[in-house]
Amino acid sequence: GEEVAQTPKHLVRGEGQKAKLYCAPIKGHSYVFWYQQVLKNEFKFLISFQNENVFDETGMPKERFSAKCLPNSPCSLEIQATKLEDSAVYFCASSQLGESQPQHFGDGTRLSIL
Amino acid sequence: AQTVTQSQPEMSVQEAETVTLSCTYDTSESDYYLFWYKQPPSRQMILVIRQEAYKQQNATENRFSVNFQKAAKSFSLKISDSQLGDAAMYFCAYRYQGGSEKLVFGKGTKLTVNP
Repeated sequence: GEEVAQTPKHLVRGEGQKAKLYCAPIKGHSYVFWYQQVLKNEFKFLISFQNENVFDETGMPKERFSAKCLPNSPCSLEIQATKLEDSAVYFCASSQLGESQPQHFGDGTRLSIL
Repeated sequence: AQTVTQSQPEMSVQEAETVTLSCTYDTSESDYYLFWYKQPPSRQMILVIRQEAYKQQNATENRFSVNFQKAAKSFSLKISDSQLGDAAMYFCAYRYQGGSEKLVFGKGTKLTVNP
């Protein structure tokens, strides 16, 4: 597609439950990025993929967060045993291969942990 | 580590006037890209303008232009003839060329446009 599609738009989970977010990048884009935007508007980089391979995972909390980009499937970000502090908007972005290519963002998934 | 600083948490401008949003960054790299993204209340992230560090000419996109001062590590955004639809959060972002491609964002500036 021509847009980065993120589902669901809003996800509500009780503390301790699992949350799974999905992202379909723009067709033909080789890179996928996940960012977390907390309530103070600050963006935090989580992880990036080049096709199905992890490219940079330096922002990922090691214990509870995991992500995948498998062929012919939407990419996913999964949070196990959610905590109140995981409440945020999670953005997925994709870009084409090439040094000057900008990242195109999806509309985000708002995750609310109660 | 690279950092991006937006020193103006909030700015306001009268409709049809001009406003400048400030951004400074810290990096030891010489090749990189800089971006301004707009985030309206709908929370979409919209690319406004981008600048390659190797280009001396300032980027321009219609009413939006930048003042890129590489030596000073400054990258301000000028919005001319401000419109009500320009009201949004504006984020400055940095990306190192040849690195992990991740964006490093500033904390944002909330722009209000007064009719």
